[in-house]
Amino acid sequence: RKEVEQDPGPFNVPEGATVAFNCTYSNSASQSFFWYRQDCRKEPKLLMSVYSSGNEDGRFTAQLNRASQYISLLIRDSKLSDSATYLCVVNPQAGNNRKLIWGLGTSLAVNP
Amino acid sequence: SQTIHQWPATLVQPVGSPLSLECTVEGTSNPNLYWYRQAAGRGLQLLFYSVGIGQISSEVPQNLSASRPQDRQFILSSKKLLLSDSGFYLCAWSPSRGLKQETQYFGPGTRLLVL
Repeated sequence: RKEVEQDPGPFNVPEGATVAFNCTYSNSASQSFFWYRQDCRKEPKLLMSVYSSGNEDGRFTAQLNRASQYISLLIRDSKLSDSATYLCVVNPQAGNNRKLIWGLGTSLAVNP
Repeated sequence: SQTIHQWPATLVQPVGSPLSLECTVEGTSNPNLYWYRQAAGRGLQLLFYSVGIGQISSEVPQNLSASRPQDRQFILSSKKLLLSDSGFYLCAWSPSRGLKQETQYFGPGTRLLVL
């Protein structure tokens, strides 16, 4: 089992749709989790941090399910500008952020 | 606010040539610094990290090296590039203390093509 696994997609959704991505992780001791977005040929940018059961920021909601070892990202009312690759990141060690484990990303295309 | 710079933005180099990529951070002190490589179809691979001047940890043995001559400067180097060194090189920083120690912030990256 990969350390961090994401469905690569692509997810093609119309504007205004709600879309959700899942990310599974293998290390049950993992302490913290992040979602980054990466636009084509650009650097990853932090979208959300997830430390407890979940986090919400406007149209974006991240949830953590420790029992099943996955985190999810929900995007409501999708905008064209949400088109990007969404990277799931897991920190397997509390207090040590040097060895983050990065997923390969899920590609989202929001269509007019 | 903090900003992170990388240069050059793109680079085309012949096999066997040397490499020097630079990263600088502004607006913070004593950051943790990281070099990553992102190859096509692959996830981010941590190459080096540094917790202070002159302190470098290597994650992947290869023909690359890193140095941190100043608190907010991180350099990635190679004496002889290989074709397999092509990729998108990203520098990142994170606070060395405080609530956001686990959050990494990336520079704009250098796209390297070795021919």
